[in-house]
Amino acid sequence: DAGITQSPRHKVTETGTPVTLRCHQTENHRYMYWYRQDPGHGLRLIHYSYGVKDTDKGEVSDGYSVSRSKTEDFLLTLESATSSQTSVYFCAISLGENNEQFFGPGTRLTVL
Amino acid sequence: GIQVEQSPPDLILQEGANSTLRCNFSDSVNNLQWFHQNPWGQLINLFYIPSGTKQNGRLSATTVATERYSLLYISSSQTTDSGVYFCAVDPGKLIFGQGTTLQVKP
Repeated sequence: DAGITQSPRHKVTETGTPVTLRCHQTENHRYMYWYRQDPGHGLRLIHYSYGVKDTDKGEVSDGYSVSRSKTEDFLLTLESATSSQTSVYFCAISLGENNEQFFGPGTRLTVL
Repeated sequence: GIQVEQSPPDLILQEGANSTLRCNFSDSVNNLQWFHQNPWGQLINLFYIPSGTKQNGRLSATTVATERYSLLYISSSQTTDSGVYFCAVDPGKLIFGQGTTLQVKP
């Protein structure tokens, strides 16, 4: 158990509304990641962070922003949710430079 | 970009049977991980295995980095082994394969 929690675990929202997902870790890991999982696409990297206020884009970053003001929290924001952002979102941490990653329980987001 | 292919895509086993899952990748990687996604959606680390062989109970994995493939062996399968098995390779960031869906029947 890498001490990762995600909130909320489930959310239903409407198109055009802002949504923020939270990833919280308790073990002071430097690297944190947000992925989305969709049928037929596996898991794809949205954004990642390599320290407080240090973030970068992944493969599918359009429509998403992130923030990391504290080591333990990594926030994913959908500024204006669209139906194509209906997905399961996973947060992950890595233990160090070798990039071995551990995943949180996931958040199921439905955009109507 | 790097391509990651897993085979077979689907597998149905009778409880107690053995199986081998394969992961091929198209370029050199820094590391490779195997994950199990259980029927409740949780992603569980199985192995971090950039090269060589590791064993954990009934599961073992072998990566031959020079030939760009990795194998996951499941012996004496149990119904709790059902789910999706992903390999993920790291040429800088983790790239996931499409997964192998395993169903173990009692």
